[in-house]
Amino acid sequence: GQNIDQPTEMTATEGAIVQINCTYQTSGFNGLFWYQQHAGEAPTFLSYNVLDGLEEKGRFSSFLSRSKGYSYLLLKELQMKDSASYLCAAWGYSTLTFGKGTMLLVSP
Amino acid sequence: EAQVTQNPRYLITVTGKKLTVTCSQNMNHEYMSWYRQDPGLGLRQIYYSMNVEVTDKGDVPEGYKVSRKEKRNFPLILESPSPNQTSLYFCASSLSSIQETQYFGPGTRLLVL
Repeated sequence: GQNIDQPTEMTATEGAIVQINCTYQTSGFNGLFWYQQHAGEAPTFLSYNVLDGLEEKGRFSSFLSRSKGYSYLLLKELQMKDSASYLCAAWGYSTLTFGKGTMLLVSP
Repeated sequence: EAQVTQNPRYLITVTGKKLTVTCSQNMNHEYMSWYRQDPGLGLRQIYYSMNVEVTDKGDVPEGYKVSRKEKRNFPLILESPSPNQTSLYFCASSLSSIQETQYFGPGTRLLVL
């Protein structure tokens, strides 16, 4: 079975750092994605973790612990344009299962 | 430009009137899938296809059909739409089914009256 949990909403201030957590239980787990989705638009790829550890890509970093079924997305130097929904998704066998998304609101 | 296209982008229809939403990708991707997105439920997979003539059910296949006769196209068919199929639909593709980034189309917003 597939089960992915992430917080529904988070708020943060421009310039700050925010961490969005994701826990998963996925049969045949292959790897974990993070996508960003602005309202009314398609999801866009942010990061992909296969192995344990931290992957850094500019202002965004993603961490994976396979043994704990846990991942987080770290956003640094927050900007207003980072206000969006952040989707955690796990590859299991031949399907990609998404969490319900975390709505991040960045305020001035 | 590498992309996934969907048509139509917006559709209003009535219960029971068959409709097809087209999806096409120009990246020679093997894997394609359809998702629906509803408030509070997130993205849920409807059907996926690992290659031509190979399709399989996702989490919410009831009321939908798909076909994959060509590598680039993966249409979603609603034989008899019902109001509970009102949703935002996304087509996506990836190079293969394992450990590959999925690229999403722009979405089709469907309203069934």
